[in-house]
Amino acid sequence: AQTVTQSQPEMSVQEAETVTLSCTYDTSENNYYLFWYKQPPSRQMILVIRQEAYKQQNATENRFSVNFQKAAKSFSLKISDSQLGDTAMYFCAFTRREYGNKLVFGAGTILRVKS
Amino acid sequence: NAGVTQTPKFQVLKTGQSMTLQCAQDMNHEYMSWYRQDPGMGLRLIHYSVGAGITDQGEVPNGYNVSRSTTEDFPLRLLSAAPSQTSVYFCASSYADRAAGYTFGSGTRLTVV
Repeated sequence: AQTVTQSQPEMSVQEAETVTLSCTYDTSENNYYLFWYKQPPSRQMILVIRQEAYKQQNATENRFSVNFQKAAKSFSLKISDSQLGDTAMYFCAFTRREYGNKLVFGAGTILRVKS
Repeated sequence: NAGVTQTPKFQVLKTGQSMTLQCAQDMNHEYMSWYRQDPGMGLRLIHYSVGAGITDQGEVPNGYNVSRSTTEDFPLRLLSAAPSQTSVYFCASSYADRAAGYTFGSGTRLTVV
């Protein structure tokens, strides 16, 4: 079974600084997709960034970027120039190339951005 | 753009009661899913559907039923509510292209007393 591990239950960062959230996963598949979702206090789940396993280039979306290490099965999220609005729970998620697009989530990391 | 609409947003049930959580999407997505979110456990898949008339079980299906008579709607039924079903429930939808990722509804906080 696929598993996703987020080893940092909580993190904090000063406004304008950079923070990295860790995620590791376990799979025997070669073709799969990885995602980071943000859940602010509003409870809404917001897709932050996605990575396709067959692409070696790390995905980037504005201030958000990933460090995808396929051999190590690691998928960390880097947030640059942190803003107060980045305060949220962040979930790492995995889906393999299969029927149904079933997402497997990590337990989440609470990120607090301090002013 | 409505996206994924879930109702209700909050609900309190007594043990043994039944209810249906509604979910509708207007993006013509093929895939729809229900997840529950519990502290320290992330989101876990309850049931999913790859198209109208086709449903299957996820990781934690016991106590829940689903059906999908149209592409747009995917209701989740609790047949006899139990305190263990106290959770936040999310409906989500996506295109069959796995790279697109899921779009989530705003969630339903359910408390069973």
